Amino acid sequence: DAKTTQPPSMDCAEGRAANLPCNHSTISGNEYVYWYRQIHSQGPQYIIHGLKNNETNEMASLIITEDRKSSTLILPHATLRDTAVYYCIVRYLKAAGNKLTFGGGTRVLVKP
Amino acid sequence: DTAVSQTPKYLVTQMGNDKSIKCEQNLGHDTMYWYKQDSKKFLKIMFSYNNKELIINETVPNRFSPKSPDKAHLNLHINSLELGDSAVYFCASSQVRAGVWHEQFFGPGTRLTVL
Repeated sequence: DAKTTQPPSMDCAEGRAANLPCNHSTISGNEYVYWYRQIHSQGPQYIIHGLKNNETNEMASLIITEDRKSSTLILPHATLRDTAVYYCIVRYLKAAGNKLTFGGGTRVLVKP
Repeated sequence: DTAVSQTPKYLVTQMGNDKSIKCEQNLGHDTMYWYKQDSKKFLKIMFSYNNKELIINETVPNRFSPKSPDKAHLNLHINSLELGDSAVYFCASSQVRAGVWHEQFFGPGTRLTVL
């Protein structure tokens, strides 16, 4: 699986959009970008994934650059409950075993 | 109802003991996993079972033995516990459909402390 690079931490104001960047310059054509988050002491939670096109669901939006070497997770209206570590992971959708390789992630602190 | 549950939530034990952690999922998924999160907060996969068959076995000491009695359960047995085994262990499950491995759902974790 391709390696990802994320900033170690970032702050965000409550009610504002949080933009979380991720670099994956060695991503291959068949690899998807996944985002998970881990709220303190809880199990990781799936947020969203995408291949080429931008994706949106009830939790977030995922913007993937045209060359697919980087992406941005957008939390449109951050709340205090969005404080968590956010992980960007790239993997093949059909890779046997479905192994998720977690990096250090970005620790997001949403402030009132 | 909890989708992926683990028992116990906390486990404190002495070095050298043998202990088990249990995991159950009620999502109807066919694949289950064990991850370990150490004190530095890095999450690493240990094992994965698909339809009760072991498909991922990372570099894990032989003291760790997963057992899947059915698709809904994946237990982790640890022999001769060592201090370095202290960590939070997460169980997860997912579904394979038409060769596509879908997102994983994680349990709440079991915090193991070896004294």
